[in-house]
Amino acid sequence: AQSVTQLDSQVPVFEEAPVELRCNYSSSVSVYLFWYVQYPNQGLQLLLKYLSGSTLVESINGFEAEFNKSQTSFHLRKPSVHISDTAEYFCAVGANEKLTFGTGTRLTIIP
Amino acid sequence: DAGVIQSPRHEVTEMGQEVTLRCKPISGHDYLFWYRQTMMRGLELLIYFNNNVPIDDSGMPEDRFSAKMPNASFSTLKIQPSEPRDSAVYFCASSFDSPYSEQYFGPGTRLTVT
Repeated sequence: AQSVTQLDSQVPVFEEAPVELRCNYSSSVSVYLFWYVQYPNQGLQLLLKYLSGSTLVESINGFEAEFNKSQTSFHLRKPSVHISDTAEYFCAVGANEKLTFGTGTRLTIIP
Repeated sequence: DAGVIQSPRHEVTEMGQEVTLRCKPISGHDYLFWYRQTMMRGLELLIYFNNNVPIDDSGMPEDRFSAKMPNASFSTLKIQPSEPRDSAVYFCASSFDSPYSEQYFGPGTRLTVT
């Protein structure tokens, strides 16, 4: 079985400051990795994913994540956050034909 | 496309009653997923279908829960009888050709069992 750990349940960050949301996983098989975002009162939306190839993946709104196999991590970063980034972020691991989600990190942007 | 459609958006019911949640996936998507989200347990996969056939129901909590997909455009999740611990937000999601393809989530059904 696979599991995902998001150590930070809440992360407050000042507007225009950088942010890193941490994600670690465990699995006995090869995995695919995902970040999904949930805005208030909405369903989840895919932010970015790693399936193969370059270990650094980027989203269209400035987020990036790097797959680190040796550290079993897939941390999400953004160099400068905006108020509109306020949301809950979920890391997920794909294995055995399904996704397992972490418990989420609530990102709060302080003006 | 209108996206994944779920109904009702909110449901309040008394313990012991039957609850039916409904989902219409995006047209052309082969996979449909039912998730449950709670503060305590986060987002859990309950069951998923491929081409209307249930593939993995290992996340279904117990026999009180059942899910069907009679055709490619409709699925139901039924709880009978409902209990207060079933209170959660239930999401339906669909994807095109793989569980690892982008999953499109509906807005969710917030269920409260009193």
